[in-house]
Amino acid sequence: AQTVTQSQPEMSVQEAETVTLSCTYDTSESDYYLFWYKQPPSRQMILVIRQEAYKQQNATENRFSVNFQKAAKSFSLKISDSQLGDAAMYFCAYRSPTGTYKYIFGTGTRLKVLA
Amino acid sequence: DGGITQSPKYLFRKEGQNVTLSCEQNLNHDAMYWYRQDPGQGLRLIYYSQIVNDFQKGDIAEGYSVSREKKESFPLTVTSAQKNPTAFYLCASAGHPSAYNSPLHFGNGTRLTVT
Repeated sequence: AQTVTQSQPEMSVQEAETVTLSCTYDTSESDYYLFWYKQPPSRQMILVIRQEAYKQQNATENRFSVNFQKAAKSFSLKISDSQLGDAAMYFCAYRSPTGTYKYIFGTGTRLKVLA
Repeated sequence: DGGITQSPKYLFRKEGQNVTLSCEQNLNHDAMYWYRQDPGQGLRLIYYSQIVNDFQKGDIAEGYSVSREKKESFPLTVTSAQKNPTAFYLCASAGHPSAYNSPLHFGNGTRLTVT
């Protein structure tokens, strides 16, 4: 069974600085999708970025980018020029293209942004 | 605007009572999911449905039941058999199961408190 691990329960970053959140996963599949979701204090889940496993190029969305290392099964999220509004829980998720089509989430990383 | 509506936002029940959480979507999505969120445990899958009149157990289905009589609706019943029902419940939907690049779209959640 696939698993997703986020080993950093909490991270802090100074405003305007860069921070990287880690995510590793375990799978025997060769093709799949990976996602990062943000959950601010409102608790609304917001899609931040997604990555297709068969694409070598790392996905980027404005200040958010990923470092996808397929062989290492690593999918880290880099937030550049951190803003106070980036403070939230961040969840990494894996989705299989076959079988049950379940989305599997990590336990999350709480990001604090310091002014 | 299309989206997912969960109601109510807050729900209070006495122990021993069944309670039903509502989830409606107008995104024309085939797949719908229920997740439970507890502090430090991320999102855990309760039930999911890929098509009308069909649903599957997730990782923590005991004490819960669902129905999928309409494409738009996927209500979750928390029964008295659920030992620790107090939690935050998130409903989500996604496009056709074969479109595995489809991200999950989430509702705003329901906070259930059982005393």
